[in-house]
Amino acid sequence: TQLLEQSPQFLSIQEGENLTVYCNSSSVFSSLQWYRQEPGEGPVLLVTVVTGGEVKKLKRLTFQFGDARKDSSLHITAAQTGDTGLYLCAGEEYGNKLVFGAGTILRVKS
Amino acid sequence: DTEVTQTPKHLVMGMTNKKSLKCEQHMGHRAMYWYKQKAKKPPELMFVYSYEKLSINESVPSRFSPECPNSSLLNLHLHALQPEDSALYLCASRPELRPYEQYFGPGTRLTVT
Repeated sequence: TQLLEQSPQFLSIQEGENLTVYCNSSSVFSSLQWYRQEPGEGPVLLVTVVTGGEVKKLKRLTFQFGDARKDSSLHITAAQTGDTGLYLCAGEEYGNKLVFGAGTILRVKS
Repeated sequence: DTEVTQTPKHLVMGMTNKKSLKCEQHMGHRAMYWYKQKAKKPPELMFVYSYEKLSINESVPSRFSPECPNSSLLNLHLHALQPEDSALYLCASRPELRPYEQYFGPGTRLTVT
């Protein structure tokens, strides 16, 4: 089974600060996904990165996929209270399965 | 229509009860999933259906019984559950053209008393 190590586990910051969440593996993934989940709701797909070295931007969120396709990062600029939630990275494993990182709980304080 | 729906939103059941969770999608996705999620943890895969056939069972206890009556519908039948089975149960589906993406429903919050 491939493993995804996600860090940090918890992050508590003030509104307006920047932050980065990391997702690392010793295995190569054909793609990586980032999800955001609010309490009591299902994960919502934010982005999929497929190509090594790829950078995708979604408003204040910037996603990178490592050149070797073993790692990814999520950077949030000028965090807002609405960014609070659980952030999950996930990679496609064999047999139509997703392997998830442990998640990063982000709390943005006003 | 780009959503996965799940009912009920909340469910409280006793250990001797029989209940069912329902999941529906009308996006034409042919792979559907059940996950179990504990608070502040990532989802844990339970079952995968591909073209209405069970393709993966992650060694889930038999008190959980999945069913896929058609390509749009997925059920999870519950019987004789334990308090530790209390969790958020998530359904997801996956498009064929973008097989690396999964779309999740809002979940059913299950409490076993």
